[in-house]
Amino acid sequence: DVKVTQSSRYLVKRTGEKVFLECVQDMDHENMFWYRQDPGLGLRLIYFSYDVKMKEKGDIPEGYSVSREKKERFSLILESASTNQTSMYLCASSPGQTYGYTFGSGTRLTVV
Amino acid sequence: DAKTTQPNSMESNEEEPVHLPCNHSTISGTDYIHWYRQLPSQGPEYVIHGLTSNVNNRMASLAIAEDRKSSTLILHRATLRDAAVYYCILSGMSNDYKLSFGAGTTVTVRA
Repeated sequence: DVKVTQSSRYLVKRTGEKVFLECVQDMDHENMFWYRQDPGLGLRLIYFSYDVKMKEKGDIPEGYSVSREKKERFSLILESASTNQTSMYLCASSPGQTYGYTFGSGTRLTVV
Repeated sequence: DAKTTQPNSMESNEEEPVHLPCNHSTISGTDYIHWYRQLPSQGPEYVIHGLTSNVNNRMASLAIAEDRKSSTLILHRATLRDAAVYYCILSGMSNDYKLSFGAGTTVTVRA
C-alpha cells in the first residue's frame, strides 16, 4: 500500500515563527497536495505539485509556500505563522491526474 | 467547477446495505466521479472512482447513471467502522483534475 507520511502528528508553534511541515510518499507518485481542514469550512487546497520543482497555487495559498526538491517529498512552509493558521494540515499524493489520492494522517498545528 | 449535491446525513443498520446518492447535473465529459471517506481524527481515505461505467472494489460499488448526472455509492454490508463522512467529488479537465471537498454525507451505523 502507498504510504504518505507526515512528519508530526501534533505541533505547537509561536506567532511569527517559520514553520515547516514535511510530507513524504513512498510510491513514486507524480502528484502531491497540501490541504488544510477547519470545522465548518471543510478541506481546502493550499498548494499542489505535478512534478519535481513544480508548484501551483490552490484555493488558499496566502501565507504559505511549498518546496518540492525531490519527487517523494513535498514541504509546506508557513513563512511567519499566525494564529489563523491553526488548523489540521493534510498531505496527499496520487500517481496521475485521473487516479485516486492517498492522504496522510494529518498534522494538527496550533499557533499560539 | 462542476458541483455535487449530497444529503447531509444518513443512518443505517449494521450488516445492511447503504446507498449514498450524489447529484452532479453539471458534470462534463472529462469529469471523474470520486468518493472518499473520512473517519474521525483521520485523513480522508480513497473509496472508489469511475468515469462512465459502474465500478466495484473490495470496499464498495459505484453505480453511475447513464446520463452521468448522478451516482450512488453502495456499501454492501455496513459495519460500525463504516461510520464516517463520505465525500462525492468531481475531478477533470475543468478543474485541473484537483479534488475540491464539500460538506459530504455523515453516515451513522446503528448496531
